[in-house]
Amino acid sequence: QKEVEQNSGPLSVPEGAIASLNCTYSDRGSQSFFWYRQYSGKSPELIMFIYSNGDKEDGRFTAQLNKASQYVSLLIRDSQPSDSATYLCAVNAAGGTSYGKLTFGQGTILTVHP
Amino acid sequence: SQTIHQWPATLVQPVGSPLSLECTVEGTSNPNLYWYRQAAGRGLQLLFYSVGIGQISSEVPQNLSASRPQDRQFILSSKKLLLSDSGFYLCAWSPKGWSKNIQYFGAGTRLSVL
Repeated sequence: QKEVEQNSGPLSVPEGAIASLNCTYSDRGSQSFFWYRQYSGKSPELIMFIYSNGDKEDGRFTAQLNKASQYVSLLIRDSQPSDSATYLCAVNAAGGTSYGKLTFGQGTILTVHP
Repeated sequence: SQTIHQWPATLVQPVGSPLSLECTVEGTSNPNLYWYRQAAGRGLQLLFYSVGIGQISSEVPQNLSASRPQDRQFILSSKKLLLSDSGFYLCAWSPKGWSKNIQYFGAGTRLSVL
């Protein structure tokens, strides 16, 4: 059973701070890694994807990948109350017959307080 | 641009009644299609995926079935709903090939079985 693990939180940070969200995965053959944001009662929205080791930055968001440690993280700089949501980590299933399947973590609840 | 539609947004059904949820994708052809269920406060559980018309793979044994009668149409069904079928049902699509497994979600259907 391929697994993706996240701390469920809640993670509470003050407005303007850096929020750090972490995710570990068990499938060493995974090649694609995603972060989705899900507001309460809404569907998941893709915010970042990363395929190579290292950092990838997009605005206030930075995704970090370390395949050797099987670890992926999301940093949110200058956190805003509008960033309060559940953040889902997703990892592709390795193998030629995986048909694009993703395995999702349980999600980390982030609360940004003014 | 591509869009994904799901309906209805909310559904309340009695135990033992049938179910039909529909999902359609516009602006692309031959997508991979997925049905997920999300129980309250939980992660996403993949129920079914499809790589083409009439091709359905089931991830977990359950009271539900799926069909893909047209290239961009995906239907989730049940003959008799159980209380445990309550949840948030999400349809997603993924382009084949170079996209490296990016999945895009519909708005979801919140199902309450009473």
